Amino acid sequence: DGGITQSPKYLFRKEGQNVTLSCEQNLNHDAMYWYRQDPGQGLRLIYYSQIVNDFQKGDIAEGYSVSREKKESFPLTVTSAQKNPTAFYLCASSTPGLPYNEQFFGPGTRLTVL
Amino acid sequence: AQSVSQHNHHVILSEAASLELGCNYSYGGTVNLFWYVQYPGQHLQLLLKYFSGDPLVKGIKGFEAEFIKSKFSFNLRKPSVQWSDTAEYFCAVGGSSASKIIFGSGTRLSIRP
Repeated sequence: DGGITQSPKYLFRKEGQNVTLSCEQNLNHDAMYWYRQDPGQGLRLIYYSQIVNDFQKGDIAEGYSVSREKKESFPLTVTSAQKNPTAFYLCASSTPGLPYNEQFFGPGTRLTVL
Repeated sequence: AQSVSQHNHHVILSEAASLELGCNYSYGGTVNLFWYVQYPGQHLQLLLKYFSGDPLVKGIKGFEAEFIKSKFSFNLRKPSVQWSDTAEYFCAVGGSSASKIIFGSGTRLSIRP
């Protein structure tokens, strides 16, 4: 089955620790995205990558880092510099260049920082 | 600035009622418009999309939306809702050649059985 997997589903970390969230896709999509979802605020873009070895900051990149070494993978690291990391994190992918830019989403990771 | 506004934060309806969720956007140039739905415990999934042609688009599960360019709106409608439509609905906008899309804050829909 083609799709996007995110692991783990739930993640607990102590304050001050870095944590890495996994995102893998087998849809052969060029572009990948990380969003943060908070109640009443919708989805806010953290980082996105349109091609391997390249990525751009989104609207709320501070305190986060990413890498894109493989087309299939786009891990997100939540660093200790992120002031309010507890949230639901969604990964998505798409193929830019189509007439429209539909994004496909993974199941999400709920991060709780204690 | 590019933005999407969903004015209804929480809508509560009875089964068989008609639904209209508002979505207004601010975006320069040609737009692609989307409605995504997030059912409880499930992935965010595409409900419908507009990128060109007929401004009235039909999606899955009996939903439709109308693109009114002069009003910068893309409201979602369904003539008769079911309990299974309980979900959060997100409007989104992107440029025709852009990679990014911008999401609204979402509307939570609760259906009374």
